[in-house]
Amino acid sequence: TQLLEQSPQFLSIQEGENLTVYCNSSSVFSSLQWYRQEPGEGPVLLVTVVTGGEVKKLKRLTFQFGDARKDSSLHITAAQPGDTGLYLCAGAGSGGSNYKLTFGKGTLLTVNP
Amino acid sequence: DAGVTQSPTHLIKTRGQHVTLRCSPISGHKSVSWYQQVLGQGPQFIFQYYEKEERGRGNFPDRFSARQFPNYSSELNVNALLLGDSALYLCASSPQATGELFFGEGSRLTVL
Repeated sequence: TQLLEQSPQFLSIQEGENLTVYCNSSSVFSSLQWYRQEPGEGPVLLVTVVTGGEVKKLKRLTFQFGDARKDSSLHITAAQPGDTGLYLCAGAGSGGSNYKLTFGKGTLLTVNP
Repeated sequence: DAGVTQSPTHLIKTRGQHVTLRCSPISGHKSVSWYQQVLGQGPQFIFQYYEKEERGRGNFPDRFSARQFPNYSSELNVNALLLGDSALYLCASSPQATGELFFGEGSRLTVL
C-alpha cells in the first residue's frame, strides 16, 4: 500500500511570511500532483511534477520533486490571505496503477492578515 | 464551459438505506473517477471508469458500486449505508485514463 505523509498538518502564519509544506513516502511515484481545496469545493490542481529533481514555479509557489521520486515540497513566498486552504499532495502509481491517485491527509494553511 | 457537475450537493440518509450519486464530466472527458473524503482526511480512491469500462477499484466493500453511461456521465451507488459512510464524495473527470483530474464540488453525504 502506497502512503503519503504530509507535514505539518496545520499551519497558521501571518501575511508576508514564508512557509514550506512537505510530502513524504517510502514508495516511488510516476508523478506527483499538488492540489488546493477550499471549504465546500473540490480540489483544484496546482502543478504536476514528473521528473526526479524537478522544480516548478507558479508565481509565489515553488514545487520540488525529490530525486528518488518519493517526496515533494511546496514553498510559498510572502504568503497572502488568499493562499488559505487545504493543500493536498497526490501520487500517481507506476505501471498498471497509474490511473489511481494516492492522497496525503493535507496541510491546512491559514494566512492571517 | 461547464466544469464537473455533481448531484445532489447535500443529502441525509439513515443507516441501512441506499444512495445514488451522479456526476457529469467535462465535455469531451472520457474518464470519471470517484473519491471519498472523510472529514480531516485526504480523498481516497473508490473507482475509475474509462470509456465505460471499470479500470480500477479501491479498497472499498462490495456495497459500493458504480457505472458509466454512453454519454460518459457516471453514478456511484452505496447500499446498506453505515455511519462511517458519511463523507464528501468527489467525482473527477479527465480527458484520458491518466493525467490531470478535474474535480467537482462533491456530494456531502450524512448518514444518521
